[in-house]
Amino acid sequence: AQTVTQSQPEMSVQEAETVTLSCTYDTSESDYYLFWYKQPPSRQMILVIRQEAYKQQNATENRFSVNFQKAAKSFSLKISDSQLGDAAMYFCAYRTTNFGNEKLTFGTGTRLTIIP
Amino acid sequence: NAGVTQTPKFQVLKTGQSMTLQCAQDMNHNSMYWYRQDPGMGLRLIYYSASEGTTDKGEVPNGYNVSRLNKREFSLRLESAAPSQTSVYFCASSERGRFYGYTFGSGTRLTVV
Repeated sequence: AQTVTQSQPEMSVQEAETVTLSCTYDTSESDYYLFWYKQPPSRQMILVIRQEAYKQQNATENRFSVNFQKAAKSFSLKISDSQLGDAAMYFCAYRTTNFGNEKLTFGTGTRLTIIP
Repeated sequence: NAGVTQTPKFQVLKTGQSMTLQCAQDMNHNSMYWYRQDPGMGLRLIYYSASEGTTDKGEVPNGYNVSRLNKREFSLRLESAAPSQTSVYFCASSERGRFYGYTFGSGTRLTVV
């Protein structure tokens, strides 16, 4: 079974600075999907960014980018120019590409605090 | 707005009571899921339904039952609530074989006293 590990329960960053959240995963599959979800205090789960394992190019969405290291099974999220609205829980998640088995496996989350 | 609708948003139960959490999606997704979120444990899968008429156990199914009523609706039932089931529950849906991750409902905060 796949596992996802987020080793940083809490992180903090000064507003306008850059922060990197770590995620590692364990799988025997060669193709899969990886995601970062944001959960603000409203509790809503919001998709931040996604990565297909067969693509070597790191995904980018505005101020959010990932560092995907397939061999190391690492998938970190970089937030540039941090804003107060970025304060949230961030979850890393893994999904197989096997058709009919689209379950997401989540990490335990990292709580990000933005310091004004 | 299109998406996943969960009801209720908050609920307090006494130990031993039963209740059903409702979930409906209007995106014509085939797959639906129920997760629970507990502090320090992330989201854990309770049950899922890959298509209408099928359901399968996830990581933490004990104490729960589900019904995939039709393609739109997927309900979660607690037959005899226990304090250990105090949690935030999320319903989600997704396309089959697609890359786009899940669409989540807004969650239900359930407290069992």
